[in-house]
Amino acid sequence: DQQVKQNSPSLSVQEGRISILNCDYTNSMFDYFLWYKKYPAEGPTFLISISSIKDKNEDGRFTVFLNKSAKHLSLHIVPSQPGDSAVYFCAAGPYGKLTFGQGTILTVHP
Amino acid sequence: DVKVTQSSRYLVKRTGEKVFLECVQDMDHENMFWYRQDPGLGLRLIYFSYDVKMKEKGDIPEGYSVSREKKERFSLILESASTNQTSMYLCASSLSLQLPGANVLTFGAGSRLTVL
Repeated sequence: DQQVKQNSPSLSVQEGRISILNCDYTNSMFDYFLWYKKYPAEGPTFLISISSIKDKNEDGRFTVFLNKSAKHLSLHIVPSQPGDSAVYFCAAGPYGKLTFGQGTILTVHP
Repeated sequence: DVKVTQSSRYLVKRTGEKVFLECVQDMDHENMFWYRQDPGLGLRLIYFSYDVKMKEKGDIPEGYSVSREKKERFSLILESASTNQTSMYLCASSLSLQLPGANVLTFGAGSRLTVL
């Protein structure tokens, strides 16, 4: 039973445009959400997080939106850069062990 | 910066062999985790440990065991490797299970295991 789902395996975007990555979850006990980025042959690195008491969190070019009623979160990258090309994983949990989605491969074309 | 070091980046083993994957973190984190990453399945939790000698099963513990004799070291053991355990294995650590924001995982670079 996949409790965290990223339904888009891949996304292709032009440099300078917005990238929107989506994630859905089913467990209403989840109250902390994170996005990780992973380059090939490297471990995932933490990007941005949001707790369930907020609906938006920004860090530079990255913004995460949380819609609790829809059990949906999204990551916006503006403007997208070629160096953003990577696999993006969303993750959710109560404090403690995280459940990850399947990942979305983002390709940003120059 | 926290460093999580996985001793082997690439391993090739034969079916039935015993395999040890070692992980060391250098920032005195309480918690350590083993995940495996497979295409289309994302990262799945195998085992985690919140203290020395303590361990808890994750979502896919079958065929694996773990050992945490020291706070900084967390080992994943495949008692008898099988081809369906060919995967990327990722170790991670976090400061605390209780503090908001402190449960951000820091990952190692991964160990790519191929079982023939």
